[in-house]
Amino acid sequence: QKEVEQNSGPLSVPEGAIASLNCTYSDRGSQSFFWYRQYSGKSPELIMSIYSNGDKEDGRFTAQLNKASQYVSLLIRDSQPSDSATYLCAVTGYGGSQGNLIFGKGTKLSVKP
Amino acid sequence: DGGITQSPKYLFRKEGQNVTLSCEQNLNHDAMYWYRQDPGQGLRLIYYSQIVNDFQKGDIAEGYSVSREKKESFPLTVTSAQKNPTAFYLCASSPRPRDTLNTGELFFGEGSRLTVL
Repeated sequence: QKEVEQNSGPLSVPEGAIASLNCTYSDRGSQSFFWYRQYSGKSPELIMSIYSNGDKEDGRFTAQLNKASQYVSLLIRDSQPSDSATYLCAVTGYGGSQGNLIFGKGTKLSVKP
Repeated sequence: DGGITQSPKYLFRKEGQNVTLSCEQNLNHDAMYWYRQDPGQGLRLIYYSQIVNDFQKGDIAEGYSVSREKKESFPLTVTSAQKNPTAFYLCASSPRPRDTLNTGELFFGEGSRLTVL
């Protein structure tokens, strides 16, 4: 059973701090990695994708991938109360076979003013 | 504006009834998906479709049915055979079939919340 694991939280950080969200996955052949943000009662929204080892930065967000450790993370710099949401990690397997995007259960982030 | 429209937003069903959730997209996306989300849980795939008149079962297809008669539309029927249908249902689409690296880039509708009375 392919799995994506996330700490459910809640992760609480003060405004302006760096929030670090982590995700591990079981399928060593995984190819693509995604972070979705989901506000309470709303649908998920894609915020980052990463496909190769290393860091990828987009504004205040940085995704980090380490395939050897089967680990992907999301850093949010200068955290704002509006970043308070649940962050879902999603992973696709090798070959992009149909229907193989696996979601973690999400980490709830709370940014305190 | 381009996007995905799900309706109804809230739906109540009595035991033994079938209900159909609508999903329409005007993004010209090839692939469409239905996910179910339960409180504190990740998204679980019910069905997906890459092209018109073709669809595949996901991880939890039992008790559900779909059709894809038009590219823009992918309705989901929750049948009476689904034992625990109360959940948040999410429809999504992606711009290309899931055989490239970015096939996990999904665009979601606002969701339909189904409650069984």
